[in-house]
Amino acid sequence: AQSVSQHNHHVILSEAASLELGCNYSYGGTVNLFWYVQYPGQHLQLLLKYFSGDPLVKGIKGFEAEFIKSKFSFNLRKPSVQWSDTAEYFCAVTTNAGKSTFGDGTTLTVKP
Amino acid sequence: GAVVSQHPSRVICKSGTSVKIECRSLDFQATTMFWYRQFPKQSLMLMATSNEGSKATYEQGVEKDKFLINHASLTLSTLTVTSAHPEDSSFYICSAEAQRGSVDTQYFGPGTRLTVL
Repeated sequence: AQSVSQHNHHVILSEAASLELGCNYSYGGTVNLFWYVQYPGQHLQLLLKYFSGDPLVKGIKGFEAEFIKSKFSFNLRKPSVQWSDTAEYFCAVTTNAGKSTFGDGTTLTVKP
Repeated sequence: GAVVSQHPSRVICKSGTSVKIECRSLDFQATTMFWYRQFPKQSLMLMATSNEGSKATYEQGVEKDKFLINHASLTLSTLTVTSAHPEDSSFYICSAEAQRGSVDTQYFGPGTRLTVL
């Protein structure tokens, strides 16, 4: 069975700081990788996804993630965070069988 | 983007009653929908995969007789929590799978907060 691990449970940054959220997964086969964001009081939204091709994926709002197959990682990055990026971020993995597994989530707090 | 709605957004019920939650894909057809449960400060836990016109596939540990899923059309899936008890209180989220070309992406509903007294 696959599993997803997000290393940081709560990250606190000041505005303009750079962000990197870790995500590692375990699964022996082909996977599709996702980052979702949940802003306070809102529902989950897709931030970016990787299925194949260029391992550096660009998403909405200046976020990007890099798939490193050898490390089973799909870390999320943003060069300069804003207060409005305060949210909960979830990494997820979907196998070809269509089963999704989510990480425990990382709460990002950006101080103005 | 694709929109998924859930109804109701909040429900409070007495122990022993049944509660139905609806999940609708508003602007696309979804042959597959998913039901998740989210506990406070924890991640989403996949409960079951709902396929239009066939029986749902439940994850290990999820009681199919307690959490009845019906996916009667390409835009509607329902989750019925039967004989609800306080331990069933949780946040239930559905998602619908939309196929964009050859790639599938899940779109999430806003969730339903169930409180069982």
